Amino acid sequence: KAGVTQTPRYLIKTRGQQVTLSCSPISGHRSVSWYQQTPGQGLQFLFEYFSETQRNKGNFPGRFSGRQFSNSRSEMNVSTLELGDSALYLCASSPDRVLEQYFGPGTRLTVT
Amino acid sequence: GENVEQHPSTLSVQEGDSAVIKCTYSDSASNYFPWYKQELGKRPQLIIDIRSNVGEKKDQRIAVTLNKTAKHFSLHITETQPEDSAVYFCAASRSNSGYALNFGKGTSLLVTP
Repeated sequence: KAGVTQTPRYLIKTRGQQVTLSCSPISGHRSVSWYQQTPGQGLQFLFEYFSETQRNKGNFPGRFSGRQFSNSRSEMNVSTLELGDSALYLCASSPDRVLEQYFGPGTRLTVT
Repeated sequence: GENVEQHPSTLSVQEGDSAVIKCTYSDSASNYFPWYKQELGKRPQLIIDIRSNVGEKKDQRIAVTLNKTAKHFSLHITETQPEDSAVYFCAASRSNSGYALNFGKGTSLLVTP
């Protein structure tokens, strides 16, 4: 099976802009989780979607949002970008009733 | 919420030696504890995990132990090799509420030949 894919891989945006990142899970996986990775804070959970519904949410401001489509593909959106949003954004997918999460390669977002 | 602390932040060992990384968690309801390895510029890869109903699990040179009473778990790598050099992350979650991993800050392991 193909692994988790994320697009784009790299992105440069200006402060105040908004950005949309995309994640395609492993075929058959219905859960998609998003994480932010920074050198200072490490890996932090953003949110999780299962069958098009947000099932869990981390402690991030409302500028961070997401959605999931009927084919399990997921997008996350960050509005009004701040310099501190520069990070590697990782998504991970899981099959039903299995705890293991499989990560994508990430999208490197740089906010200038 | 859950707080996971990981020690040490850096670890340097000689090839062939053992390496131990320790994590503590705060939420007694956490019941799933995976370990991820992340090489430079690559995605985190699951290397081993343990559920709260198990005290120890081994997979070749890697083992994980869990002490629920003390709320800590550890990763043990024996006979280390240079290719084990990477950043290792521990995590904890409540499996009955979806998939929300709370990660430790990571341990940078360097194995020197």
